[in-house]
Amino acid sequence: EAQVTQNPRYLITVTGKKLTVTCSQNMNHEYMSWYRQDPGLGLRQIYYSMNVEVTDKGDVPEGYKVSRKEKRNFPLILESPSPNQTSLYFCASSLSLPGQGNIQYFGAGTRLSVL
Amino acid sequence: TQLLEQSPQFLSIQEGENLTVYCNSSSVFSSLQWYRQEPGEGPVLLVTVVTGGEVKKLKRLTFQFGDARKDSSLHITAAQTGDTGLYLCAGGHLTGGGNKLTFGTGTQLKVEL
Repeated sequence: EAQVTQNPRYLITVTGKKLTVTCSQNMNHEYMSWYRQDPGLGLRQIYYSMNVEVTDKGDVPEGYKVSRKEKRNFPLILESPSPNQTSLYFCASSLSLPGQGNIQYFGAGTRLSVL
Repeated sequence: TQLLEQSPQFLSIQEGENLTVYCNSSSVFSSLQWYRQEPGEGPVLLVTVVTGGEVKKLKRLTFQFGDARKDSSLHITAAQTGDTGLYLCAGGHLTGGGNKLTFGTGTQLKVEL
């Protein structure tokens, strides 16, 4: 079954304690993204990766890092989390189809609370 | 950053009613997608429209892309409780980083018996 898997689904942490949210896809997609979802703001892109070892900033990259050492995995790293990073996070992998643009497949989300 | 405003933000209706959700921007997009998101899950793609004026139907859902490719609408006929969810539009535009999506602010729909 084609899927994007994020872990953990829920995480409560304290300010300053480094954490990593993992993301894995089994569809051999080249393009992967991280988004955060906040009430009234929709989904905002944090970082994206067009292929292995190719990553770039999205709209809200401050306080986040990513890596893409292999095609299937795209972890999101918070080196020193702060309360304003409390949010619902989604990983997505995508396929670009002629005439249809970028088709995104989302993981189930990670709800993060930073105290 | 290109913004997409959705209206209404919240909508609560009775089963059997019709409704329309709007997605507006001052920017032109190469494509427009609609997603539905249910609690505890990620958004799932419903449709992509790419041509100005294009209309697509998916059972009781009708999607339209504006002539100028700046806006879109989603119309649901005879809503059912299973239509309840968060509806998100997303505009696609080509950048140096590939085909980037900008998401709208979302419309939370609740359909009651």
